Amino acid sequence: AQTVTQSQPEMSVQEAETVTLSCTYDTSESNYYLFWYKQPPSRQMILVIRQEAYKQQNATENRFSVNFQKAAKSFSLKISDSQLGDTAMYFCASDSGNTPLVFGKGTRLSVIA
Amino acid sequence: GAVVSQHPSRVICKSGTSVKIECRSLDFQATTMFWYRQFPKKSLMLMATSNEGSKATYEQGVEKDKFLINHASLTLSTLTVTSAHPEDSSFYICSAIVGSSYNEQFFGPGTRLTVL
Repeated sequence: AQTVTQSQPEMSVQEAETVTLSCTYDTSESNYYLFWYKQPPSRQMILVIRQEAYKQQNATENRFSVNFQKAAKSFSLKISDSQLGDTAMYFCASDSGNTPLVFGKGTRLSVIA
Repeated sequence: GAVVSQHPSRVICKSGTSVKIECRSLDFQATTMFWYRQFPKKSLMLMATSNEGSKATYEQGVEKDKFLINHASLTLSTLTVTSAHPEDSSFYICSAIVGSSYNEQFFGPGTRLTVL
């Protein structure tokens, strides 16, 4: 069984600053995928970034990047140059490619002007 | 591309009535869809996996007679909350995958159900 743990229920960051959201996971699968999803107040789930476990290079999408530490089973999300529109719930998730997503409990991020 | 819609976005019903929520893949065929439930300020809880043309697979603890799922076509899955009670009030989200790739899920905008 897969588990995903987000240990930061809430975080805040000043606009234009950088913030890192933590996520650890556990899985017995040899191949799996890791995700960060954003859920703004509209509650629409938006994929922020995806990492394939067999790829050593950390995924990057514009201001969003991950620090994937496979041995430590850690998958943190770094948001650079934070913007007010980044205010949202952020969920870390994993799947093995043929199983449903397993979500963490989420981190509520507030970007302060 | 890869847009998933849900209807209705909000519904209020009286206790004891049944409510149907639709999930549609607008520009792709979805063999598999998922239904989630989300309580306020909580994470998404998977309720069931819906497969076109076959019975849904329910997660442990989810009453299949309470939450009826039908996936009669490649673009439509429905969730019917039968004999709804106030404790069924929640935010229900569906998602769909393209082909058999579980790692590419597209989410609907969700449906807020309030049972009075």
